[in-house]
Amino acid sequence: RKEVEQDPGPFNVPEGATVAFNCTYSNSASQSFFWYRQDCRKEPKLLMSVYSSGNEDGRFTAQLNRASQYISLLIRDSKLSDSATYLCVVNKGRYRDDKIIFGKGTRLHILP
Amino acid sequence: DAGITQSPRHKVTETGTPVTLRCHQTENHRYMYWYRQDPGHGLRLIHYSYGVKDTDKGEVSDGYSVSRSKTEDFLLTLESATSSQTSVYFCAISEVLGNQHFGDGTRLSIL
Repeated sequence: RKEVEQDPGPFNVPEGATVAFNCTYSNSASQSFFWYRQDCRKEPKLLMSVYSSGNEDGRFTAQLNRASQYISLLIRDSKLSDSATYLCVVNKGRYRDDKIIFGKGTRLHILP
Repeated sequence: DAGITQSPRHKVTETGTPVTLRCHQTENHRYMYWYRQDPGHGLRLIHYSYGVKDTDKGEVSDGYSVSRSKTEDFLLTLESATSSQTSVYFCAISEVLGNQHFGDGTRLSIL
């Protein structure tokens, strides 16, 4: 199993729809999880951290499933501006200072 | 946005030449990172630094060296560039694990 694995997509979704994608990780000792967003030819930017209890930020909801070792990102009422690549990020090991690993990203296209 | 500047933004050079990329921050963050991003591979860590003169290797460190003589500057050097090092290079800074702020990137082409 790869350290961090994402469906590369692309996900082509009509505007206003709800879309969800998952990311699986291999190290059961990982403690920290994040979602980043990267626009075409731009730098990645932190979208949100993922907490054990799940967390929500406006239209975005992130959840963690430790038993199955995956995190998810749900986007409700999708906007054209949500079109981007979404990167799953997991820390490499047991400790909070361990290096983080980026997934290869899931491309999302919101269609008008 | 976090104060992080990469230079140069674009560079074209020839195989075998030395290349140095600079990352400069004004945030006084402890951690600095160099990544490369290639189609099909995503972001891969080259080297990182956890303080002045404290650096460590990432997953793709072969052919690269780094130096950090001041908190604000982190240099990435390709001693003898090869075509396989053509890529987009990102510098990132952080004070807290996972919350990284990235520079605009450097597009490096090695012919």
